[in-house]
Amino acid sequence: DQQVKQNSPSLSVQEGRISILNCDYTNSMFDYFLWYKKYPAEGPTFLISISSIKDKNEDGRFTVFLNKSAKHLSLHIVPSQPGDSAVYFCAASGNNDMRFGAGTRLTVKP
Amino acid sequence: GAGVSQSPSNKVTEKGKDVELRCDPISGHTALYWYRQRLGQGLEFLIYFQGNSAPDKSGLPSDRFSAERTGESVSTLTIQRTQQEDSAVYLCASSLGTPGTGELFFGEGSRLTVL
Repeated sequence: DQQVKQNSPSLSVQEGRISILNCDYTNSMFDYFLWYKKYPAEGPTFLISISSIKDKNEDGRFTVFLNKSAKHLSLHIVPSQPGDSAVYFCAASGNNDMRFGAGTRLTVKP
Repeated sequence: GAGVSQSPSNKVTEKGKDVELRCDPISGHTALYWYRQRLGQGLEFLIYFQGNSAPDKSGLPSDRFSAERTGESVSTLTIQRTQQEDSAVYLCASSLGTPGTGELFFGEGSRLTVL
């Protein structure tokens, strides 16, 4: 039962361009959403989050957008840098539960 | 320590043997989670501990899997009679309070290989 879905397993972009990673969720009880970044052989690390009372949260080059009616969120990275190459996990929490998507592998080409 | 610590970092075992994986959460974190990531797959929720409440075991894939937590400290994930499909990286995470109040802090994982 995948409550959080990242339908793109991989994404490749050119350095300097925008990276857009997408995530969909099914459980309307989720009210807090997070993005994590994972490098090989390391645990995921927190990147950015958004509460359901907002539709946008920005932190430097990273912006997360939330569309509650569509149960959809996205992470925008602009400009993308080679060091951003990693696997990005979307997570949704609520009601004492946190679930993760399958991840999207982002490759930023120099 | 400053972060979530997991041991062993790597474990190779034979099919049918039991394994124990350990997690030391960040001091003061009341919530502790176990996830696993099989090759090419995403993070799969296994079990969640919150303080002294009964754990949420809804993600455990079979009765061969069990986990314990001593108070608000160390947790052990036990896999009995391991199978090859149990091969994965097992990730532990902790957080202050309940989900939705902050992010999870992950350990580096324990890579289990079942031959």
